Amino acid sequence: AQKITQTQPGMFVQEKEAVTLDCTYDTSDPSYGLFWYKQPSSGEMIFLIYQGSYDQQNATEGRYSLNFQKARKSANLVISASQLGDSAMYFCAMRELYYGGSQGNLIFGKGTKLSVKP
Amino acid sequence: GAVVSQHPSRVICKSGTSVKIECRSLDFQATTMFWYRQFPKKSLMLMATSNEGSKATYEQGVEKDKFLINHASLTLSTLTVTSAHPEDSSFYICSARDSLGTTNEKLFFGSGTQLSVL
Repeated sequence: AQKITQTQPGMFVQEKEAVTLDCTYDTSDPSYGLFWYKQPSSGEMIFLIYQGSYDQQNATEGRYSLNFQKARKSANLVISASQLGDSAMYFCAMRELYYGGSQGNLIFGKGTKLSVKP
Repeated sequence: GAVVSQHPSRVICKSGTSVKIECRSLDFQATTMFWYRQFPKKSLMLMATSNEGSKATYEQGVEKDKFLINHASLTLSTLTVTSAHPEDSSFYICSARDSLGTTNEKLFFGSGTQLSVL
């Protein structure tokens, strides 16, 4: 079974509008972290936002916010006021902190390609 | 923030030759580095986990004799693709974990290497 599921292979959004990128996860680990990364066409991975499984509040970083619904095992990324530079691949990732050991590896979803239209 | 330097960014080689990719942490010590492989429009797949001073741990299905990993110092890990073949053509990206980081720290990624084997 996939541990990270991103059901939207591609998304379009109008510039200045908000967009939500979906991510669901599957783990039996009691402690885990959820991450979102942006990968522009250059290939680099840019960290956007982090949510810990025990965090009470949803994480926010500037225009990025994470809609964390623990019971539903979802961690959707919300980008407000989309900009043309937001066009990129977006990956949701998880680190299992208990069963995953101390190495700190990330498990990635398949990604969502976001295209921002002017 | 922490920087991970990866080079070369792009390499084209003939079939049968070996290619070395370097991953350096520039301003922190990385006891653990990860090597990922990414096919076009695909997620990042972990190839191996590299620990300084010890043998790398390879994921199932990754040939350790094909993909040689050396982590000789706290700031440098190398991936050598030996006797490269066209099917090895891919985007390879490394990431490093700060040895002093907490469990919720993000991984720092290199900029990736696009390998094309003719």
